[in-house]
Amino acid sequence: SQTIHQWPATLVQPVGSPLSLECTVEGTSNPNLYWYRQAAGRGLQLLFYSVGIGQISSEVPQNLSASRPQDRQFILSSKKLLLSDSGFYLCAWSGTGGKNIQYFGAGTRLSVL
Amino acid sequence: AQKITQTQPGMFVQEKEAVTLDCTYDTSDPSYGLFWYKQPSSGEMIFLIYQGSYDQQNATEGRYSLNFQKARKSANLVISASQLGDSAMYFCAMRDLSGGYQKVTFGTGTKLQVIP
Repeated sequence: SQTIHQWPATLVQPVGSPLSLECTVEGTSNPNLYWYRQAAGRGLQLLFYSVGIGQISSEVPQNLSASRPQDRQFILSSKKLLLSDSGFYLCAWSGTGGKNIQYFGAGTRLSVL
Repeated sequence: AQKITQTQPGMFVQEKEAVTLDCTYDTSDPSYGLFWYKQPSSGEMIFLIYQGSYDQQNATEGRYSLNFQKARKSANLVISASQLGDSAMYFCAMRDLSGGYQKVTFGTGTKLQVIP
C-alpha cells in the first residue's frame, strides 16, 4: 500500500533562517506531488505541484521554492524565512489518471519568530 | 467567482443523528471530480469520498454518502449516525479541466461538532 511521510511535524525557526521540509512517498511510482499551506482556521492554498522529476509548477509567487530531486521525493525550501511564512504545510500525492484522489501527509506546523 | 462554496462555517449535531454538510461548486467543464476530506484537530487531511461528474449514482463509503445534484451543482456530504470522533473540519474540493485535472480547489471548510 502507498504511504506518504512528511517531516518534521513541528518546526520553530527565526526570521531570516533557511527552511527545508521533506516529503517522500512509498508504494507507488511517478506520482503527482503537491505542497499546500493552510493558515490558521482557513482552507488549503496550493503552493507547488509536480508531475515528474524536475518538473515544478508554482501557483503563488512567494518566498518559497520546491524541488523534486527523485521520483518520490518533494522538498519545500526557503533561503530566508519571513514571519508570513508561518502556517501549516501539507504534502500530498495522487495518481496520474482516473480519480486523481490526493492523499496527504501528517503536515508540518511552522512557526517563524 | 468561488469554485467551491461551503456556506456553513460551523455545525452542531447530536450524537447518533445524521448531518448534512453543504457544498456547491462552479465549473463549465462537463468532466470533473468532487471530493470530501476530513481534518481532525491533529491536522492531517483524510480522504472520505469521491464523486465523478459522470457517475450515475451517489457515492457512498460506510457512514458517508455524497448527495450529488448535478443540475444544482451541489455535492453535499451526509454523515449518518454521527459519532464523537466525527468532530472535525470538513472540506469539499473539486478538480476540473481548468486545473488540468491535476489540481484540486478546496472550499473554506465546515467545522462539525458532535454533541454527546
